[in-house]
Amino acid sequence: DTGVSQDPRHKITKRGQNVTFRCDPISEHNRLYWYRQTLGQGPEFLTYFQNEAQLEKSRLLSDRFSAERPKGSFSTLEIQRTEQGDSAMYLCASSPRGGRADEQYFGPGTRLTVT
Amino acid sequence: QKEVEQNSGPLSVPEGAIASLNCTYSDRGSQSFFWYRQYSGKSPELIMFIYSNGDKEDGRFTAQLNKASQYVSLLIRDSQPSDSATYLCAVNSGGYQKVTFGTGTKLQVIP
Repeated sequence: DTGVSQDPRHKITKRGQNVTFRCDPISEHNRLYWYRQTLGQGPEFLTYFQNEAQLEKSRLLSDRFSAERPKGSFSTLEIQRTEQGDSAMYLCASSPRGGRADEQYFGPGTRLTVT
Repeated sequence: QKEVEQNSGPLSVPEGAIASLNCTYSDRGSQSFFWYRQYSGKSPELIMFIYSNGDKEDGRFTAQLNKASQYVSLLIRDSQPSDSATYLCAVNSGGYQKVTFGTGTKLQVIP
């Protein structure tokens, strides 16, 4: 299966700790997105990369959040000094080069629980 | 006003019936419209997209778009218990490829 992959699938951390998530997009996809989803809500856009360039960031992405995609392949999302409100599913999506960028395909997500 | 609005449901339909899911959006300049299916505890799965007014059919699914009324709908024919899930409507309002999601409608297909 060559779909979007995310690691880890689950993460439990204590408040104040830093966490980092990884996303590997579909290999021929050059566009990558991060979303956050809480219970009963739809995914909320966090940030968007085209190749290695971070082209858009939501105002939801506070200064405790940082995302990188250094070589235009995999991406990481780091949350510093986690808070209980950060508990959510963090979703990565990708879309293909040359296709419609808004047709996005999601990975399985990383579920973060902050205790 | 929310950018993308959906009735949270649950919408219950008997097996074999047509399920009709609706979505309205606020940005009249929106250009692309999507339906995602999300099973409990899983990530969203893209099932339909539509860009032009009218209907688009794919198997048992039909997406309908009416830009003048700013609504998009999803019809599921011959509903099956396996269709029980939350259906998310998503809209691209232009600019970079940020897609805005509704809160989803929970569909229950009763055997």
